[in-house]
Amino acid sequence: GQQLNQSPQSMFIQEGEDVSMNCTSSSIFNTWLWYKQDPGEGPVLLIALYKAGELTSNGRLTAQFGITRKDSFLNISASIPSDVGIYFCAGTNNNAGNMLTFGGGTRLMVKP
Amino acid sequence: NAGVTQTPKFQVLKTGQSMTLQCAQDMNHNSMYWYRQDPGMGLRLIYYSASEGTTDKGEVPNGYNVSRLNKREFSLRLESAAPSQTSVYFCASSEALAGNTGELFFGEGSRLTVL
Repeated sequence: GQQLNQSPQSMFIQEGEDVSMNCTSSSIFNTWLWYKQDPGEGPVLLIALYKAGELTSNGRLTAQFGITRKDSFLNISASIPSDVGIYFCAGTNNNAGNMLTFGGGTRLMVKP
Repeated sequence: NAGVTQTPKFQVLKTGQSMTLQCAQDMNHNSMYWYRQDPGMGLRLIYYSASEGTTDKGEVPNGYNVSRLNKREFSLRLESAAPSQTSVYFCASSEALAGNTGELFFGEGSRLTVL
């Protein structure tokens, strides 16, 4: 099946720190999306990207659709405790019949 | 504001038992999906229904069946549960197939353990 490689798999954050995560694929994607899953909940869409090179912000979140269409990154600025959770990248391409393919997730945790 | 509702939230089964996960959405969406979530593997599509009356296999359909009962409801059945089906299952819906906008609305998940 389709492979979206998401990194890092997990990371600890301290309040106020900036966070970066990315997603890469060997295939070209038409759409890149970032979802967040809070504990005990289903994922919720954060940002959707539809054009190569597109840079989109949603509050403290910024995401970019890579020029090659094979990657995307998500940045969170000035992290706060409620940013903890699992972040998933997802994409659609013709190979997968226009279904969403999800990355393995990046788990954000708070530094003790 | 129910959105997508799935039941049960937790279930423990013995190997070989059968069960059905229920899902309903109140957003008048055409498309519905069943995913499973396993650590480090993201969400993998089991089955989907592009519109009422149609169902199609996703990435990991083996061992599962689905029924799109009407526009609101999409159920997932395990006929003979296996330990490999221990997972968290998510139902989702979207206005049209995911490829259009990518926005899926998810339920809260059903945690299934098969002993």
